[in-house]
Amino acid sequence: QVQLQESGPGLVKPSQTLSLTCTVSGGFISSGGYYWTWIRQAPGKGLEWIGHIYYSGKSYFNPSLESRGAISVDTSKNQFTLNLTSVTAADTAVYYCARVAVRRWFEPWGQGTLVTVSS
Amino acid sequence: EVVMTQSPASLSVSPGEGATLSCRASQSVNTKLAWYQQRPGQAPRLLIYGASARATGVPARFSGSGSGTEFTLTISSLQSEDFAVYYCQQYDDWPGHTFGQGTKLEIK
Repeated sequence: QVQLQESGPGLVKPSQTLSLTCTVSGGFISSGGYYWTWIRQAPGKGLEWIGHIYYSGKSYFNPSLESRGAISVDTSKNQFTLNLTSVTAADTAVYYCARVAVRRWFEPWGQGTLVTVSS
Repeated sequence: EVVMTQSPASLSVSPGEGATLSCRASQSVNTKLAWYQQRPGQAPRLLIYGASARATGVPARFSGSGSGTEFTLTISSLQSEDFAVYYCQQYDDWPGHTFGQGTKLEIK
């Protein structure tokens, strides 16, 4: 079955760019039919949708993060990447990647990776 | 944006008893509502989709109901592994899927 795995630095300095990659196994991003998603969870808080991307590159972003964020896809590596610029301590969170179909639920999820923004 | 509101924020229940968790949407989401369980240190796990359909491998003691703006997750005969945080999520409003703030189910 499809599995997702996040990777990237666990510590990012304030004002720098957070960059995380999600690697998909057991299926191909280029097969279509699904969007690939980033979701985050600040310590002790709830879940926040960040954005989706399709294999074609079509993407959607949470309006509250749109000015700082971008998601890209590399079908040759079966990966998609989140970039979030000008980070602050408020961006400290566990970042999850997940799969979603249009007007469907998130399933499966990656295990998550903690990113701490600190000098 | 569709705002999802869960109640209560926390619930203390004894093992073997049942629990009812509520989720309200700020506008109708039809039955496009999912429930997730999150245990400490783990990613959320899909329990219910379509407001009432159990995901693969989810025990029958979990049931979902509701439509429009009012939804309920019922867990009968709580087991130790059920004590966790539960989130509802609407997916009617594409692409901006939104989550409730969560209900923490604690052992009494």
